[in-house]
Order: sequence, then structure tokens, then C-alpha cells
Amino acid sequence: DIQLTQSPSFLSASVGDRVTITCRASQGISSYLAWYQQKPGKAPKLLIYAASTLQSGVPSRFSGSGSGTEFILTINSLQPEDFASYYCQQFNSYPLTFGGGTKVEIK
Amino acid sequence: EVQLLESGGGLVQPGGSLRLSCAASGITFSSYVMSWVRQAPGKGLEWVSSISGGGVYTHYADSGKGRFTISRDNSKNTLYLQMNNLRAEDTAVYYCAKASGNNFGYPDDYWGQGTLVTVSS
Repeated sequence: DIQLTQSPSFLSASVGDRVTITCRASQGISSYLAWYQQKPGKAPKLLIYAASTLQSGVPSRFSGSGSGTEFILTINSLQPEDFASYYCQQFNSYPLTFGGGTKVEIK
Repeated sequence: EVQLLESGGGLVQPGGSLRLSCAASGITFSSYVMSWVRQAPGKGLEWVSSISGGGVYTHYADSGKGRFTISRDNSKNTLYLQMNNLRAEDTAVYYCAKASGNNFGYPDDYWGQGTLVTVSS
């Protein structure tokens, strides 16, 4: 199984900050990686797929990069509505796996 | 508008069974891979199972193999998860999710609101 390791697991940031979250795969997954945002009590929301393609309707302050084993989610100019948990997921092979999550909280 | 509406969750004793349903609307249901993803209280997301558009091909996480069965009725636009021999560690919110493409290997672009399964005596 492919393990995904997200870091950090928690980060505290202020509105306007630039935030980066890393997702490392235990083996190469090409660009078969997606990022989701989840707010408390809500279903996850797809932000980015194919490592760097922005899902329709997602603000352009979100971006993704990477391929192979290392991936980064960047949020430029953090907005109040961005305080949430973020998860990466690999689609290279079954079983599908998620990273452990990163909770972004207000400093 | 795409809508996925789960039902069937509830309280069940260890060793019991439940069948979850997910009614889809606003999509050509048979064209998409569908999945179940769960989230234990206060924990992260865990993929459970996926099924091809025609229902022929399925995949399961090891945690559910031999106990869970995913199926779909394309005439009713409904996805199912039959869960048998339930354990305390199966306690979670179960989400139904639609893949963004018509084959395995696509992320999930629409999710239901989730249904809570609690396994406890």
C-alpha cells in the first residue's frame, strides 16, 4: 500500500499569510494526487487534482505542485474561510489512501 | 445540480449488520465510479470501497474485505454498502462520493453529507 505523510499535522497562521502543506508518498505516484479541504461537520471538498489542476470554482489563491513522491499545497493570502483541515489522496493504485491531514487554525 | 444523499446509518451492536444507501441525482449515475469514504470521530479520512460505473469491478480497503460489500443499482441511481460483522472500530461517518471521471483513477468531485454509523453495545 502507498503511504502518504502530510506535514505539518497542525499549523497556526494569520489572515494574509502564505501557507504550504507537504504530502510525501512512500513510492512514486506520478501526478495521481488530489487535495481536499474539510470544514468541521462538513463533507470534504475537492480543491486540486492531478497534483496541480485547480478544480472548477476553487479560488486561485490555492495551488498545487509536485510529482513522483513529493507534493505541495500552497494557499496564498490565507482568508478567514480557509481555516479548515486539508487532506491529500493518491489515485495511483488501490487501495486508495489519504494523508493524515493538516489542520489550519487562526493564530 | 448534483446531489448525493446517504441513509441507513444508526446504532448497531458489535457483530451486527447495516446497509447504507446513497441516492444520486443530477448525474448520469451509471457513467461514474462511486466510492464510500469514512471518518471516525476526530480522525482523518479513510477510503473504504469503490465500484465501477457498470458495477462489475470493485475495490476494498483491507479493513472491510470479507465484511463489506459495495454494490449499485443504476436503474435506481443508488449506491449501497452492506456492512456485516461490524466492529467498534467501524464507528464513523460514512460518505458517498462520486468520481470526476468514468474510470478508476479519478478523484471525487461530489460528496454526500454523510451518515453516522455507531457500533456499540
